Amino acid sequence: GAVVSQHPSRVICKSGTSVKIECRSLDFQATTMFWYRQFPKQSLMLMATSNEGSKATYEQGVEKDKFLINHASLTLSTLTVTSAHPEDSSFYICSARDPQRRADTEAFFGQGTRLTVV
Amino acid sequence: AQSVTQLDSQVPVFEEAPVELRCNYSSSVSVYLFWYVQYPNQGLQLLLKYLSGSTLVKGINGFEAEFNKSQTSFHLRKPSVHISDTAEYFCAVRTSGGYQKVTFGIGTKLQVIP
Repeated sequence: GAVVSQHPSRVICKSGTSVKIECRSLDFQATTMFWYRQFPKQSLMLMATSNEGSKATYEQGVEKDKFLINHASLTLSTLTVTSAHPEDSSFYICSARDPQRRADTEAFFGQGTRLTVV
Repeated sequence: AQSVTQLDSQVPVFEEAPVELRCNYSSSVSVYLFWYVQYPNQGLQLLLKYLSGSTLVKGINGFEAEFNKSQTSFHLRKPSVHISDTAEYFCAVRTSGGYQKVTFGIGTKLQVIP
């Protein structure tokens, strides 16, 4: 079946640096990918919708200049956390749907990235 | 707009006992309903989904859920839990229309006690 791969699974960075997270659809082309953030003991909150070849759509309250999203190809979307601060420490998860499948199929999720900013 | 309410943040249950994790939703349009499981530091794995048809849906690992339109509920059940079922469970809804935004509940931590 379709698989979404996310890398890295864990990253520790210093405050003020930038971190890039990759999300790949391995056996299908995803025109749209979704980025979620999960704080400890909380649910997943949609941050933005990544659209191949166009600008990402950000949810209300999400800083687009801080969370840069690039969807340069049909199989890769990247999320860059710029000038990271400790409060950005979180679990980030991407997802994608195979547009060739029926509209009622579910999205597939990456393994997630645990970001710790020290 | 759509929303999902998971009424229990934590559910402790003894091994081999039955369990029900509750989920209620609200939406002005028709939705698809999902249950996902998340093990520590991992992504989400789909347990089951309701799209249409039979209101009783069977999923992986012996889980099942029943869609109740009048009560706008989609409770998850398992007749006999195992230690390996200890995880976080998320109920989610997605509109059946074009935009694919998924809304998640806050999650229920199932803790199976040996």
